[in-house]
Amino acid sequence: DAKTTQPTSMDCAEGRAANLPCNHSTISGNEYVYWYRQIHSQGPQYIIHGLKNNETNEMASLIITEDRKSSTLILPHATLRDTAVYYCIVRVPNRDDKIIFGKGTRLHILP
Amino acid sequence: DAMVIQNPRYQVTQFGKPVTLSCSQTLNHNVMYWYQQKSSQAPKLLFHYYDKDFNNEADTPDNFQSRRPNTSFCFLDIRSPGLGDAAMYLCATSRVGLAGGLNTDTQYFGPGTRLTVL
Repeated sequence: DAKTTQPTSMDCAEGRAANLPCNHSTISGNEYVYWYRQIHSQGPQYIIHGLKNNETNEMASLIITEDRKSSTLILPHATLRDTAVYYCIVRVPNRDDKIIFGKGTRLHILP
Repeated sequence: DAMVIQNPRYQVTQFGKPVTLSCSQTLNHNVMYWYQQKSSQAPKLLFHYYDKDFNNEADTPDNFQSRRPNTSFCFLDIRSPGLGDAAMYLCATSRVGLAGGLNTDTQYFGPGTRLTVL
């Protein structure tokens, strides 16, 4: 079973920041938080990951709470192309084991 | 440039007729994965190869087999497709267990092959 809980769907206006929450209250000390997204009819795409510090890259920012029980993915200026299902995943990096996908959040960007 | 390539993108087969889906990668990654994704569901891992070592998930049906003849290619064979096997099949790769930092284990997914069973 997935170790994360996400809202089923969210709406965000185009040009605004999209904030996608994820709960992972049972995360263990060596597990990282990963985010992937899947645009319709495409394979999942890696976005970002982190352990406990906030992370930022060209796609998004990841904010992890101090107790590491939850995190938020931030898309700073959402566009219509960001409409996708966003998956929050916790796992130990650098291992060949599976990614367990939860149900994810379906993000709709509204024009 | 395409990094994980899946052919064909769409495959139609008949009930019980064997079918093979292919995946190739230009990333020289040592791990290759096959996921099954049914409509409106999350991807589910079927099996993966760590180099030449095959790792099957416990709940993957025997009807599904895989081959990895070399680093770049991996095949998914469905010996006798049933109607319930209609799905999107996703191939992914990653580089694991080698020096280079944490980002080496990111999984890169192909575009998928959508299988229809008639």
